[in-house]
Parts: sequence; structure tokens; C-alpha cells
Amino acid sequence: GESVGLHLPTLSVQEGDNSIINCAYSNSASDYFIWYKQESGKGPQFIIDIRSNMDKRQGQRVTVLLNKTVKHLSLQIAATQPGDSAVYFCAETSYSSYKLIFGSGTRLLVRP
Amino acid sequence: GAVVSQHPSRVICKSGTSVKIECRSLDFQATTMFWYRQFPKQSLMLMATSNEGSKATYEQGVEKDKFLINHASLTLSTLTVTSAHPEDSSFYICSAWDRRSGELFFGEGSRLTVL
Repeated sequence: GESVGLHLPTLSVQEGDNSIINCAYSNSASDYFIWYKQESGKGPQFIIDIRSNMDKRQGQRVTVLLNKTVKHLSLQIAATQPGDSAVYFCAETSYSSYKLIFGSGTRLLVRP
Repeated sequence: GAVVSQHPSRVICKSGTSVKIECRSLDFQATTMFWYRQFPKQSLMLMATSNEGSKATYEQGVEKDKFLINHASLTLSTLTVTSAHPEDSSFYICSAWDRRSGELFFGEGSRLTVL
């Protein structure tokens, strides 16, 4: 199966601080990107998405940035809360295939 | 909103037996569903694309005779792990595209433990 990397880095932040989670995607033909949150023992939960014709999209407390030149995505979480502790995955796909390929993931730990 | 349901959520079986996992789209029709496998502390790895009424498309390295996929209706895809071995123990997750909305929904996953 396809996957990008097998490592799970950890980001530890203080409650109330902003978090930035980075992701390098693999396919320059991908035109749709999604960030997911996964809690232990559960399926992925949609956070925010962005199309390739955009470079920034904001949601509630979250912002996704897309840099197609270097194939890089980031997820910014404002005022991080304990409930944000989870593993975060970026995922890429194209409208021609609908196959979603996941990045390696980052574990976010929020310190009280 | 649209929901994808997986069953069972947890299953324990003996080595050599076969296990079937169901993935249902509850309020939309899904001509395409996807099956993923996730080992502890790793990412989700795409195993196969399940197409309603036709054969599944498997990713490179995934044994199609071991992981049988059937997508017999527009709301149900099944993954059967045949002759399961301990190394098949993993978290299996399905997803389904709701083409009306363009959204992708994930099931809650099925944890398989092979003794």
C-alpha cells in the first residue's frame, strides 16, 4: 500500500499556545488536500481541506497553508486546548482518482 | 450528516481462520469505498479501492487473495481477511465518497487481533 513515511514525530505545546504541524506531500499532481485528526482507537476525523488553487484556508481556530512549489502543507491551531491532543495526518488526492494517500502523521501533546 | 459504519469494531480470532469486516454508508450511496490498514504508531496505508459491481483495485504489495473485497451493493463493502495470521493484526479502516457532496467519510475502524 502507499504511505508517506513510517515515523510519528511528536509536537509538545503549552495549553493556550499556537501549534504548527507540517507535512510534505508526495505527488505534484495532487489537487486536493485534507487534514485529519485521529484519536486513539478511532477513525480519522476531518478538520479542514484546501484545493490546489488556494494557498490558505481558515476555519474555526485552524488554518491550512499550502505551498505547491515545495509540496508542503501546514496546519496551524490557535490557542491549543487539551482536547486537541491527538495524531494529525495530512492527506492528498486528486479529483481524477479520489484515492486518498496519508502522510506520516504528527502526534500533538498539549501540556496543561 | 452522512455516516460510514464499520462492523465489528473489535474482533479476535485464531490463526488460520477468516474474518469479515463490513463497511456501510448509512445515508448515501457509495460507488467507491476505500480500505486502509493502520499499524500502531503508523499512518494509514491504502490497501485497495472497492468499486461497486466490479473487482477491487489493490495497491502494490497487497495480496488480493488474502484480502478479499466485495462491494455488492451501493451501501456495503466487505473486507475478508482469509487465513489470518498474527501479522495481520491491525486496525482496518474504510472510507466512502459521497459523490453528491464530494465529501469523504471514514468509518470508526475495526481492530483485528489474531492469536
